Amino acid sequence: SQTIHQWPATLVQPVGSPLSLECTVEGTSNPNLYWYRQAAGRGLQLLFYSVGIGQISSEVPQNLSASRPQDRQFILSSKKLLLSDSGFYLCAWTGRRQGLEKLFFGSGTQLSVL
Amino acid sequence: AQSVTQPDIHITVSEGASLELRCNYSYGATPYLFWYVQSPGQGLQLLLKYFSGDTLVQGIKGFEAEFKRSQSSFNLRKPSVHWSDAAEYFCAVPGDDKIIFGKGTRLHILP
Repeated sequence: SQTIHQWPATLVQPVGSPLSLECTVEGTSNPNLYWYRQAAGRGLQLLFYSVGIGQISSEVPQNLSASRPQDRQFILSSKKLLLSDSGFYLCAWTGRRQGLEKLFFGSGTQLSVL
Repeated sequence: AQSVTQPDIHITVSEGASLELRCNYSYGATPYLFWYVQSPGQGLQLLLKYFSGDTLVQGIKGFEAEFKRSQSSFNLRKPSVHWSDAAEYFCAVPGDDKIIFGKGTRLHILP
């Protein structure tokens, strides 16, 4: 069966420090991968998605970047965190043959930038 | 462009009461529509989906939703809520290679 792993679960970082959040999927190949952010009162915002290795689509201009070095690995990064980067980050995946409705989410990373 | 609007940020109901969460969509053709639920500190889980056919869709945990094309709505309902239903609920519509979510409605349950 397919599973998605996202870590760490919580992270407290000072302003200006770098960030690396990792997400991996098991049990499937060639998934679509997504990074969402959930900030208080702003709902679920799509940050990046990827339909293949090295293919990254950015939805909003921001201080973050994403990479997909392997088929089932999706990394969210920042060189210098801002206070406004605080939030709950969710990784998700879906399989091409299953359709977009089968969007499976990781358990999330609560990032606090101080 | 496809979009969904959830007009209620917070909803409070008493345990055992009925529930309706509103969702309005904007979509160029016959839409696919979804409802997801998020428990505190967790990822999202698909409750139900509408593709075509019967406009009343049954989901997990006793939820249902009705697609009304004339009103561009896909409201989520439950006849009798339980304390465990307290969560955030998201309506969603697919875009190109992605899912577009509404801003969510947080459901509070009174004992």
